[in-house]
Amino acid sequence: DAGITQSPRHKVTETGTPVTLRCHQTENHRYMYWYRQDPGHGLRLIHYSYGVKDTDKGEVSDGYSVSRSKTEDFLLTLESATSSQTSVYFCAISEVSRGQGYNEQFFGPGTRLTVL
Amino acid sequence: GQQVMQIPQYQHVQEGEDFTTYCNSSTTLSNIQWYKQRPGGHPVFLIQLVKSGEVKKQKRLTFQFGEAKKNSSLHITATQTTDVGTYFCAATEYGNKLVFGAGTILRVKS
Repeated sequence: DAGITQSPRHKVTETGTPVTLRCHQTENHRYMYWYRQDPGHGLRLIHYSYGVKDTDKGEVSDGYSVSRSKTEDFLLTLESATSSQTSVYFCAISEVSRGQGYNEQFFGPGTRLTVL
Repeated sequence: GQQVMQIPQYQHVQEGEDFTTYCNSSTTLSNIQWYKQRPGGHPVFLIQLVKSGEVKKQKRLTFQFGEAKKNSSLHITATQTTDVGTYFCAATEYGNKLVFGAGTILRVKS
């Protein structure tokens, strides 16, 4: 498995509280991604980063912000958690493609977040 | 943005039976990737298809990319209990992003 860790692995919080999830990689890959996974929806992109301090929104970015101050860390923040943000969150990394197609993404172990 | 529809949502097979999941798009795809997620695990890359009509095999798994590059399939021959999990197709977008299908959950009865 690629060197990707996520912390915390499990978290229970209350509505209205801020929450930060951390993704850490040791692969020095350029691209990092945050997804959420919900039954029937597959994996949906929240935000992604294409370099240090370079980020952009994904499909479901409302209510989330991200920061990437160094190559190895990508933080996802829920400014004020809501019950609809209860989900499993996956971080992924990939490298710049040097051939035909795009490089595969490597996923972290996931964080299960419950907002009460 | 792109959307990929994946069917069926769920399939329960007897061990030894074959299994197929399909991925469809209304737009032409530049390429498609397939991932497998074991229960309680994280998605793991299986393969990428790039060329029109491409067929690739990995042991009992056969991956196809349609001639029009609008659909793809994953076929498993003679399923085993180790094949259980959710299979996702994913289409690439600009900026090294992926758009995932909703996935097909495979359960295998032994």
